[in-house]
Amino acid sequence: DSGVTQTPKHLITATGQRVTLRCSPRSGDLSVYWYQQSLDQGLQFLIQYYNGEERAKGNILERFSAQQFPDLHSELNLSSLELGDSALYFCASSVAGSSSYNEQFFGPGTRLTVL
Amino acid sequence: DQQVKQNSPSLSVQEGRISILNCDYTNSMFDYFLWYKKYPAEGPTFLISISSIKDKNEDGRFTVFLNKSAKHLSLHIVPSQPGDSAVYFCAAKKANNDMRFGAGTRLTVKP
Repeated sequence: DSGVTQTPKHLITATGQRVTLRCSPRSGDLSVYWYQQSLDQGLQFLIQYYNGEERAKGNILERFSAQQFPDLHSELNLSSLELGDSALYFCASSVAGSSSYNEQFFGPGTRLTVL
Repeated sequence: DQQVKQNSPSLSVQEGRISILNCDYTNSMFDYFLWYKKYPAEGPTFLISISSIKDKNEDGRFTVFLNKSAKHLSLHIVPSQPGDSAVYFCAAKKANNDMRFGAGTRLTVKP
């Protein structure tokens, strides 16, 4: 158990809908990262938040947005869902968000299925 | 664009032998390289890492080698054990914490 929790575990929805994925980081971790893993794809970095502020941005679509709240939990919002958005979405957390390496601890993921 | 590539989707080795997993990258801005292991229904877990200023890092049965001129890194597992069977992801990080992962290599260690 990494200490990172993600809810829900599974989510099934229809095209055009909007969903929210939730992540609670490990106690004491200030950074939260979101990743997408599609079928046969590696983990795609989406976005990082550090202490409530956006720190780094990866391959995140404009239909997707995220935020980190004062209690440090984070939500990833996916809107106007398409079939291709079906994937595993992982959240990870780390102690800091500086340029030096900080080990990231991953949650178990949320499996999103868009029908 | 795929900045980190793992060209072998799967690898099968006999218990006790060496497992070598390979990874190539294209961006010279990466300053840190990591290997993660993933079991089914779990998130990836950190295994071992190496800074771009080093060429080797060892931790027990696991050794990571970095060849900067070739933009290549490899993970050696010696001796391989059945419990090592998992998907291994290579990752490379830039100074701004943007981390890119490869597609993964599924390692199967046969008893």
